[in-house]
Amino acid sequence: DQQVKQNSPSLSVQEGRISILNCDYTNSMFDYFLWYKKYPAEGPTFLISISSIKDKNEDGRFTVFLNKSAKHLSLHIVPSQPGDSAVYFCAASLGNQFYFGTGTSLTVIP
Amino acid sequence: EAQVTQNPRYLITVTGKKLTVTCSQNMNHEYMSWYRQDPGLGLRQIYYSMNVEVTDKGDVPEGYKVSRKEKRNFPLILESPSPNQTSLYFCASSQGRYYTEAFFGQGTRLTVV
Repeated sequence: DQQVKQNSPSLSVQEGRISILNCDYTNSMFDYFLWYKKYPAEGPTFLISISSIKDKNEDGRFTVFLNKSAKHLSLHIVPSQPGDSAVYFCAASLGNQFYFGTGTSLTVIP
Repeated sequence: EAQVTQNPRYLITVTGKKLTVTCSQNMNHEYMSWYRQDPGLGLRQIYYSMNVEVTDKGDVPEGYKVSRKEKRNFPLILESPSPNQTSLYFCASSQGRYYTEAFFGQGTRLTVV
Protein backbone atom coordinates (compact mmCIF):
# COMPACT_ATOMS: atom_id res chain seq x y z
CA ASP A 1 0.00 0.00 0.00
CA GLN A 2 1.44 3.34 -1.08
CA GLN A 3 2.20 5.42 2.03
CA VAL A 4 3.35 8.44 0.01
CA LYS A 5 1.17 9.56 -2.88
CA GLN A 6 1.55 12.06 -5.66
CA ASN A 7 -1.84 12.20 -7.31
CA SER A 8 -0.88 14.42 -10.23
CA PRO A 9 1.23 12.51 -12.76
CA SER A 10 1.98 15.67 -14.72
CA LEU A 11 1.91 19.46 -14.50
CA SER A 12 2.53 22.19 -17.08
CA VAL A 13 3.43 25.75 -16.11
CA GLN A 14 4.46 28.86 -18.00
CA GLU A 15 8.00 30.11 -17.47
CA GLY A 16 8.13 32.71 -14.68
CA ARG A 17 4.97 31.46 -12.98
CA ILE A 18 4.71 29.40 -9.81
CA SER A 19 4.82 25.60 -9.91
CA ILE A 20 3.10 23.80 -7.05
CA LEU A 21 3.70 20.09 -6.66
CA ASN A 22 1.68 18.16 -4.11
CA CYS A 23 2.24 15.08 -2.03
CA ASP A 24 0.04 13.26 0.50
CA TYR A 25 1.08 10.69 3.06
CA THR A 26 -0.71 8.30 5.34
CA ASN A 27 1.74 7.56 8.16
CA SER A 28 1.81 10.24 10.87
CA MET A 29 5.06 8.76 12.23
CA PHE A 30 7.17 9.98 9.27
CA ASP A 31 9.84 12.25 10.69
CA TYR A 32 11.49 13.77 7.64
CA PHE A 33 10.26 14.71 4.17
CA LEU A 34 12.31 15.31 1.06
CA TRP A 35 11.93 16.31 -2.57
CA TYR A 36 14.08 14.92 -5.36
CA LYS A 37 14.30 15.93 -8.99
CA LYS A 38 15.01 13.45 -11.75
CA TYR A 39 16.05 14.05 -15.35
CA PRO A 40 15.78 11.25 -17.94
CA ALA A 41 18.64 8.72 -17.86
CA GLU A 42 19.96 10.14 -14.58
CA GLY A 43 19.54 9.27 -10.94
CA PRO A 44 17.40 11.49 -8.69
CA THR A 45 19.10 14.54 -7.17
CA PHE A 46 18.23 16.01 -3.81
CA LEU A 47 16.33 19.28 -3.86
CA ILE A 48 15.07 20.24 -0.43
CA SER A 49 13.94 18.65 2.83
CA ILE A 50 11.89 19.46 5.90
CA SER A 51 11.72 18.02 9.38
CA SER A 52 8.33 16.99 10.72
CA ILE A 53 8.70 19.56 13.50
CA LYS A 54 8.70 22.44 11.00
CA ASP A 55 6.05 23.69 8.61
CA LYS A 56 8.17 25.51 6.06
CA ASN A 57 11.65 25.38 4.60
CA GLU A 58 12.98 27.66 1.91
CA ASP A 59 16.01 27.40 -0.35
CA GLY A 60 16.27 29.97 -3.11
CA ARG A 61 13.43 29.46 -5.56
CA PHE A 62 12.24 26.33 -3.76
CA THR A 63 9.96 26.24 -0.73
CA VAL A 64 8.50 23.17 0.91
CA PHE A 65 5.40 23.42 3.07
CA LEU A 66 4.28 20.75 5.51
CA ASN A 67 0.73 20.49 6.84
CA LYS A 68 0.83 17.70 9.40
CA SER A 69 -2.85 17.81 10.27
CA ALA A 70 -3.74 17.24 6.62
CA LYS A 71 -0.76 14.89 6.06
CA HIS A 72 0.11 17.02 3.05
CA LEU A 73 3.37 18.28 1.63
CA SER A 74 3.88 20.74 -1.21
CA LEU A 75 6.82 22.09 -3.18
CA HIS A 76 6.63 25.61 -4.58
CA ILE A 77 9.01 26.72 -7.33
CA VAL A 78 9.05 30.45 -7.98
CA PRO A 79 9.77 31.57 -10.62
CA SER A 80 9.66 28.42 -12.72
CA GLN A 81 12.37 28.03 -15.36
CA PRO A 82 12.58 25.69 -18.38
CA GLY A 83 15.49 23.87 -16.68
CA ASP A 84 13.08 22.87 -13.90
CA SER A 85 11.34 20.50 -16.33
CA ALA A 86 11.85 17.08 -14.75
CA VAL A 87 10.11 14.43 -12.69
CA TYR A 88 9.76 15.38 -9.02
CA PHE A 89 9.53 12.76 -6.30
CA CYS A 90 8.52 13.40 -2.73
CA ALA A 91 9.84 11.03 -0.08
CA ALA A 92 9.34 10.42 3.62
CA SER A 93 11.52 8.70 6.19
CA LEU A 94 10.51 6.44 9.03
CA GLY A 95 13.35 5.12 11.13
CA ASN A 96 16.02 4.14 8.65
CA GLN A 97 13.64 3.54 5.75
CA PHE A 98 12.53 5.85 2.98
CA TYR A 99 9.24 5.85 1.09
CA PHE A 100 8.84 7.59 -2.23
CA GLY A 101 5.85 8.82 -4.16
CA THR A 102 5.20 7.91 -7.80
CA GLY A 103 6.46 11.22 -9.16
CA THR A 104 5.05 14.27 -10.94
CA SER A 105 6.40 15.25 -14.34
CA LEU A 106 6.77 19.03 -14.49
CA THR A 107 7.00 20.82 -17.83
CA VAL A 108 7.89 24.49 -17.80
CA ILE A 109 6.85 26.11 -21.06
CA PRO A 110 9.12 28.92 -22.31
CA GLU B 1 34.24 14.34 -8.12
CA ALA B 2 31.75 13.03 -5.57
CA GLN B 3 29.77 10.23 -7.13
CA VAL B 4 27.92 6.96 -6.81
CA THR B 5 28.86 4.51 -9.55
CA GLN B 6 26.69 1.60 -10.59
CA ASN B 7 27.61 -1.17 -13.00
CA PRO B 8 26.39 -2.30 -15.38
CA ARG B 9 24.10 0.44 -16.72
CA TYR B 10 22.13 -2.04 -18.80
CA LEU B 11 21.72 -5.78 -18.41
CA ILE B 12 19.59 -8.41 -20.10
CA THR B 13 19.65 -11.82 -18.47
CA VAL B 14 17.69 -15.04 -18.36
CA THR B 15 15.51 -16.35 -15.56
CA GLY B 16 17.50 -18.10 -12.84
CA LYS B 17 20.96 -16.89 -13.80
CA LYS B 18 22.61 -15.28 -10.78
CA LEU B 19 23.74 -11.71 -11.22
CA THR B 20 25.34 -8.91 -9.22
CA VAL B 21 24.91 -5.18 -9.71
CA THR B 22 27.79 -3.27 -8.17
CA CYS B 23 27.58 0.07 -6.39
CA SER B 24 30.49 2.14 -5.19
CA GLN B 25 30.66 5.60 -3.59
CA ASN B 26 33.69 7.83 -3.05
CA MET B 27 32.28 10.11 -0.34
CA ASN B 28 32.97 7.92 2.71
CA HIS B 29 29.25 7.79 3.36
CA GLU B 30 27.89 5.53 6.07
CA TYR B 31 24.38 4.97 4.74
CA MET B 32 23.76 3.18 1.44
CA SER B 33 20.60 1.78 -0.05
CA TRP B 34 19.08 0.16 -3.13
CA TYR B 35 15.83 1.14 -4.82
CA ARG B 36 13.83 -0.11 -7.75
CA GLN B 37 11.70 2.16 -9.90
CA ASP B 38 8.64 0.79 -11.65
CA PRO B 39 5.91 2.62 -13.61
CA GLY B 40 3.07 3.69 -11.34
CA LEU B 41 4.93 2.61 -8.21
CA GLY B 42 7.70 5.18 -7.89
CA LEU B 43 10.89 4.27 -6.10
CA ARG B 44 10.75 1.48 -3.57
CA GLN B 45 13.53 0.71 -1.13
CA ILE B 46 14.94 -2.82 -1.37
CA TYR B 47 17.70 -2.92 1.24
CA TYR B 48 19.76 -0.42 3.16
CA SER B 49 22.96 -0.42 5.16
CA MET B 50 23.82 1.83 8.08
CA ASN B 51 27.51 0.89 8.01
CA VAL B 52 29.93 -1.95 7.28
CA GLU B 53 28.39 -5.35 8.09
CA VAL B 54 25.07 -3.70 9.03
CA THR B 55 22.26 -4.28 6.54
CA ASP B 56 18.48 -4.37 6.81
CA LYS B 57 15.41 -4.95 4.68
CA GLY B 58 13.53 -2.17 3.04
CA ASP B 59 10.03 -2.27 1.64
CA VAL B 60 10.56 -4.90 -1.09
CA PRO B 61 13.49 -7.19 -0.17
CA GLU B 62 12.15 -10.50 -1.55
CA GLY B 63 14.43 -12.05 -4.14
CA TYR B 64 17.40 -9.82 -3.36
CA LYS B 65 20.52 -10.03 -1.23
CA VAL B 66 23.11 -7.42 -0.30
CA SER B 67 26.44 -7.29 1.47
CA ARG B 68 28.50 -4.47 2.96
CA LYS B 69 32.03 -5.72 3.51
CA GLU B 70 33.63 -2.35 2.78
CA LYS B 71 32.27 1.11 3.42
CA ARG B 72 32.44 2.19 -0.21
CA ASN B 73 30.76 -0.84 -1.83
CA PHE B 74 27.21 -2.14 -1.59
CA PRO B 75 26.47 -4.80 -4.24
CA LEU B 76 22.95 -6.01 -5.01
CA ILE B 77 22.69 -9.73 -5.67
CA LEU B 78 19.88 -11.53 -7.46
CA GLU B 79 20.45 -15.22 -6.77
CA SER B 80 17.71 -16.45 -9.11
CA PRO B 81 16.27 -13.55 -11.12
CA SER B 82 12.69 -13.70 -12.32
CA PRO B 83 10.83 -11.56 -14.90
CA ASN B 84 9.09 -9.58 -12.14
CA GLN B 85 12.50 -8.23 -11.18
CA THR B 86 12.74 -6.44 -14.50
CA SER B 87 13.10 -2.85 -13.38
CA LEU B 88 15.28 0.24 -13.13
CA TYR B 89 17.55 0.01 -10.09
CA PHE B 90 19.21 2.85 -8.22
CA CYS B 91 21.88 2.80 -5.57
CA ALA B 92 22.15 5.76 -3.17
CA SER B 93 24.43 6.90 -0.39
CA SER B 94 24.31 9.56 2.31
CA GLN B 95 26.44 10.64 5.24
CA GLY B 96 24.01 9.26 7.79
CA ARG B 97 20.34 8.66 8.31
CA TYR B 98 19.72 12.14 9.64
CA TYR B 99 21.91 13.79 7.03
CA THR B 100 19.21 13.06 4.59
CA GLU B 101 20.55 14.33 1.30
CA ALA B 102 21.15 11.14 -0.66
CA PHE B 103 23.33 10.90 -3.75
CA PHE B 104 22.04 8.52 -6.37
CA GLY B 105 23.81 6.53 -9.02
CA GLN B 106 22.76 6.76 -12.67
CA GLY B 107 20.69 3.60 -12.53
CA THR B 108 20.85 0.05 -13.89
CA ARG B 109 18.21 -1.05 -16.36
CA LEU B 110 17.68 -4.78 -15.79
CA THR B 111 15.60 -7.01 -18.04
CA VAL B 112 14.98 -10.62 -17.05
CA VAL B 113 13.60 -12.80 -19.85
